[in-house]
Amino acid sequence: KNEVEQSPQNLTAQEGEFITINCSYSVGISALHWLQQHPGGGIVSLFMLSSGKKKHGRLIATINIQEKHSSLHITASHPRDSAVYICAAPRGETSGSRLTFGEGTQLTVNP
Amino acid sequence: GAGVSQSPRYKVAKRGQDVALRCDPISGHVSLFWYQQALGQGPEFLTYFQNEAQLDKSGLPSDRFFAERPEGSVSTLKIQRTQQEDSAVYLCASSLTRDNHYGYTFGSGTRLTVV
Repeated sequence: KNEVEQSPQNLTAQEGEFITINCSYSVGISALHWLQQHPGGGIVSLFMLSSGKKKHGRLIATINIQEKHSSLHITASHPRDSAVYICAAPRGETSGSRLTFGEGTQLTVNP
Repeated sequence: GAGVSQSPRYKVAKRGQDVALRCDPISGHVSLFWYQQALGQGPEFLTYFQNEAQLDKSGLPSDRFFAERPEGSVSTLKIQRTQQEDSAVYLCASSLTRDNHYGYTFGSGTRLTVV
């Protein structure tokens, strides 16, 4: 069993739909990262959160530390949101240290 | 610089060839990580530097892989006698502090193809 698991693996949506990507982790952490990766490889850090909810534009990330579960939501999805979304947890009890990554969710938003 | 810069962006190597991949982290960033990402997979940890000290190299897959950061800034990942299974995107990430409290900045990666 992977330490960080995401679902779904692939997600196709129509423009305007509400998107949810889930992440469960088995390691003990104090923060979780959501990342976005576009074709070509570059990774952009979206959120680092340790409790509750964070919002940035149309993106919302929530986390429940006790249940070891986090979700990334995209409201009013747009084709430019198409990318791979990855959750990652630091190994160790602090918010730092090296990251263990989920396998990613390939999101395709069709116009 | 404004971000983490990696070069080259793409590298095609013949099997058995040695390659060197470069990472220029954000100026002043203490922590530097190398990750390997195979096609369709999430990144996997390779090695970690705190300034010039390589504190963790447990993720390096074999002794053909070597990384250095001699002056605590630019880092080089070297792969000797490349094999086809080395084909992957190699990602570098840096962080301002030792505990990475402020998160990470990733480079665009180097896509290595071994033929």
